[in-house]
Amino acid sequence: NAGVTQTPKFQVLKTGQSMTLQCAQDMNHNSMYWYRQDPGMGLRLIYYSASEGTTDKGEVPNGYNVSRLNKREFSLRLESAAPSQTSVYFCASSPPGAAGYNSPLHFGNGTRLTVT
Amino acid sequence: AQSVTQLDSQVPVFEEAPVELRCNYSSSVSVYLFWYVQYPNQGLQLLLKYLSGSTLVKGINGFEAEFNKSQTSFHLRKPSVHISDTAEYFCAVLILTGGGNKLTFGTGTQLKVEL
Repeated sequence: NAGVTQTPKFQVLKTGQSMTLQCAQDMNHNSMYWYRQDPGMGLRLIYYSASEGTTDKGEVPNGYNVSRLNKREFSLRLESAAPSQTSVYFCASSPPGAAGYNSPLHFGNGTRLTVT
Repeated sequence: AQSVTQLDSQVPVFEEAPVELRCNYSSSVSVYLFWYVQYPNQGLQLLLKYLSGSTLVKGINGFEAEFNKSQTSFHLRKPSVHISDTAEYFCAVLILTGGGNKLTFGTGTQLKVEL
């Protein structure tokens, strides 16, 4: 049972570089999410995808793009990284319907990104 | 808008002592509340949830929380903590939308259990 898998685990970028964070889930969940975690700020939603083929902005979408490649995969792209994007990024997925209430989010272990 | 506030950023406590982590919510509609725990260098795990029914909910690892509508609170408690409970704890509220459910998190409380 892999659950939610994120790659890479760690990444260091220089300002202006681009990269894509990968996320895949094997639980057949409909919804997927990207959060960033910063000290003292909790987790903030960047983008989410309610189902395959749809994406929506969350609380802090600026500087990011996402792709819901298929039901399993949801990637997050930084086109031109900035130091303010130094953070820990978490991908999560959620089952549909009532199951989504009982256990709303299943998290990956995070990607630690540093932008210098 | 629905939101949660965690009043304490850090809570130090000695092993075997009781602990309470505070969470207050704001919502104009039915609320679904959750506590998650994050151990160092890991993702978040669900501790417990309140959806409806009994206001006292029990979770994993001996934690429990009480939903108090009049005080708009959902405080997390454990009668006797262990060193292994050292972690960050997040309160969250579920927001229901036509385009998918979303969780909004509090800013977290770092629980540090000392010998």
